[in-house]
Amino acid sequence: AQSVTQLGSHVSVSEGALVLLRCNYSSSVPPYLFWYVQYPNQGLQLLLKYTSAATLVKGINGFEAEFKKSETSFHLTKPSAHMSDAAEYFCAVSDAGGYNKLIFGAGTRLAVHP
Amino acid sequence: ETGVTQSPTHLIKTRGQQVTLRCSSQSGHNTVSWYQQALGQGPQFIFQYYREEENGRGNFPPRFSGLQFPNYSSELNVNALELDDSALYLCASSSGGVWKKETQYFGPGTRLLVL
Repeated sequence: AQSVTQLGSHVSVSEGALVLLRCNYSSSVPPYLFWYVQYPNQGLQLLLKYTSAATLVKGINGFEAEFKKSETSFHLTKPSAHMSDAAEYFCAVSDAGGYNKLIFGAGTRLAVHP
Repeated sequence: ETGVTQSPTHLIKTRGQQVTLRCSSQSGHNTVSWYQQALGQGPQFIFQYYREEENGRGNFPPRFSGLQFPNYSSELNVNALELDDSALYLCASSSGGVWKKETQYFGPGTRLLVL
């Protein structure tokens, strides 16, 4: 069965610093992987997705993620953090079963300090 | 293009009551999925609807039920509410039906508090 592990429930960075949010997945088939962001009291917004094309995926707001099959990882990065990046980030894998179901990690809360 | 909308935004119920949450799909989307997000956790899949039928259910009891209408909008019904049902309920829509792994687009959610 698929699963997602997000290492670090809380990450704190300074404004302008590198953002690195870690995600490892488990999947019996080539996975479809997603990163979503959730701002306070809001729903989920898609940042980027991997669907077996290029291993380096660029998303919105300057975020990108690299699919590494050998490490079963899909870490999210941004070269320079902005105060507006403070939010909860969720990594998800699409279920290998017959329907379009997402399996989410527990989330990582990103804090950005001036 | 209209995104996914949900109503109401907030709801307070007491234990044992019943609740109905509503979702309107993004324009052009024919598949609706519902997720429960408890405080401090990632969303958990409840079920998915396509062509007005349930296609796939997560680990949720039968008191969680749903409907999809011909215009692809959907309802989530929860009977005999329990305190643990307090959560943010998210609706997501996608195109391509059940079998294609199309991107799911989420609504803002309905926050349910059960007292």
